[in-house]
Parts: sequence; C-alpha cells; structure tokens
Amino acid sequence: DGGITQSPKYLFRKEGQNVTLSCEQNLNHDAMYWYRQDPGQGLRLIYYSQIVNDFQKGDIAEGYSVSREKKESFPLTVTSAQKNPTAFYLCASSLSSGRRGYEQYFGPGTRLTVT
Amino acid sequence: GQQVMQIPQYQHVQEGEDFTTYCNSSTTLSNIQWYKQRPGGHPVFLIQLVKSGEVKKQKRLTFQFGEAKKNSSLHITATQTTDVGTYFCAGPVEYGNKLVFGAGTILRVKS
Repeated sequence: DGGITQSPKYLFRKEGQNVTLSCEQNLNHDAMYWYRQDPGQGLRLIYYSQIVNDFQKGDIAEGYSVSREKKESFPLTVTSAQKNPTAFYLCASSLSSGRRGYEQYFGPGTRLTVT
Repeated sequence: GQQVMQIPQYQHVQEGEDFTTYCNSSTTLSNIQWYKQRPGGHPVFLIQLVKSGEVKKQKRLTFQFGEAKKNSSLHITATQTTDVGTYFCAGPVEYGNKLVFGAGTILRVKS
C-alpha cells in the first residue's frame, strides 16, 4: 500500500524546544517537500529536496532545518529560532525527472502546537 | 517572482447551486493542477491540464485551461455537501520542480 506517512498527527511542545517531524514515503519518488499551512491560509514552501543528500530552501526556511539521508525519508526540525511555530505541517512527494511540475502527493499532516 | 492568484477567497453557496473558482498566473504555465483539501484534511490531487484550451470533466467538476496557458477555472455543477473544502490551483515554476500554489478558494455548502 503506497503512500506518505507523517507522524505524529498532533504534537505539543514548550517554547524553546526543538521538535522533529517525521515524513516517510514508499512511492519511490525522488522529490519531497515540506509546507506550512496556517488557519484559512494557503501552502507555504519551507524546504524541498529533489534527490538524496540535496535540499533547497523554500520561501520560509528560517527557523527550520531538514535532512535527506534516505530517499524515502525527509524529516523536518522546527527549531527554537522559529518565531511562530504553531501551524499545520504538510509533507509531499513527487516524481522529479523528465519534465517540470509533476503532481504532488501529500501526507496527512502534523498539527504542531507550541506554548 | 512567479505568482498564482486565485479568486474568490471564499464562497458560501446553497446546495444545488453552481460554483466556480478562477486561477490566474503571472507567467505562462506548462501545466496547471488542481487540488482539494477537505476541512481538517490534506490536499489531494484532482487533475492536471496541459494543453492550451483544454477542458476536462470529472462528474460534476469541469476544469478549463486558458488559451494563453495563464489562467484556469474549476466549475462545480449542482454543489453537494461533499464538495465542501478548499480548492487550490498550482503551476510549476519556470526553473526547478517546485509548484506555486494559489491561496485557495474555501467552499461552504449550505443544505
């Protein structure tokens, strides 16, 4: 059963703590993405990776970090430097070679609350 | 930079009424994609349009890609309560494999 999993679904943290969100896919996709969504808002790209061991900053990378050591995994760390970390975090994946703009498949998301 | 604008931001319709959301890009797109996000859920890919002037239908949903490949629309005929959610359009950036998403149109259906 192919798909993208994110865990946990809900996460609560105290201010000042780093937290790592998990994203795993078994779709054999090369490209993976992290988005942030605030209530009633669109999707803002945090980081993306087109291939293992390589990743690029998106539009709102400050206060976040990622790694891409395996094709199927793309964890996101929300650091204490992120001023407003409470949000809904979505991971996505897609094919990446051959042409531009493949459709993206999203995981169920993680709702992070920092107090 | 490249932008994708979507209108309206929000629409509340009576069940059975039609609904349309419009998407406009600042640049010509190689394709346009549409996604639906149910309340509390995650975006789900609906369809991709590639050709100039292309029209595709999925049951009560009709998708169009403009002749200039800079705009698109999604029309829902006779809305049902199952249609509620946020509809996003997205297009690929000029360089790289990213998508630029519109801000989305929130659809509420009153039964």
